[in-house]
Amino acid sequence: DAKTTQPTSMDCAEGRAANLPCNHSTISGNEYVYWYRQIHSQGPQYIIHGLKNNETNEMASLIITEDRKSSTLILPHATLRDTAVYYCIVREGSYNTDKLIFGTGTRLQVFP
Amino acid sequence: SQTIHQWPATLVQPVGSPLSLECTVEGTSNPNLYWYRQAAGRGLQLLFYSVGIGQISSEVPQNLSASRPQDRQFILSSKKLLLSDSGFYLCAWEVRGLRDTQYFGPGTRLTVL
Repeated sequence: DAKTTQPTSMDCAEGRAANLPCNHSTISGNEYVYWYRQIHSQGPQYIIHGLKNNETNEMASLIITEDRKSSTLILPHATLRDTAVYYCIVREGSYNTDKLIFGTGTRLQVFP
Repeated sequence: SQTIHQWPATLVQPVGSPLSLECTVEGTSNPNLYWYRQAAGRGLQLLFYSVGIGQISSEVPQNLSASRPQDRQFILSSKKLLLSDSGFYLCAWEVRGLRDTQYFGPGTRLTVL
């Protein structure tokens, strides 16, 4: 079972910031939070990941709370092409092989 | 740069027929390889993973099997397809031992009729 909970769907106006929340209250100290997105009929695309500190890359920012029980993915200026299902994943497993346990994700709809 | 290929892109097969889906990775060596399946409207389910040639771990008992005949080749097979095997099959790779990011291929959409 997935170790994260996310809202089923969200809407965002084009050009505005999209803030996607994720709860992972049972996360362990050495487990990372990963975000992927899946555009319809395509393979999932990696977005960003983090352990404790906030992270930023060219696609998004990841804000992790101090207790690590929740996080927020921020798309600073959403475009229509950002419409997708966004998955928040807590990575678990051994050092050599890890399993990505996907939940049902958040369906983000960006509208004009 | 690394590239992952899957084929075919789409496949329609009758119940009881065999299956062979192929995944290959370019631009890296000794990757971990993964097969996932996504049923319609659902999240991804891990089916198999491999840490090396001939080394396969199964996550879910089912009608499918996997093989890794070469370092960068991962094959998903079935001797007799079931209706419940329909879905979107995704292959993924990652750099072994670094707990790095898994990168996904474009997927194969399988419909069993």
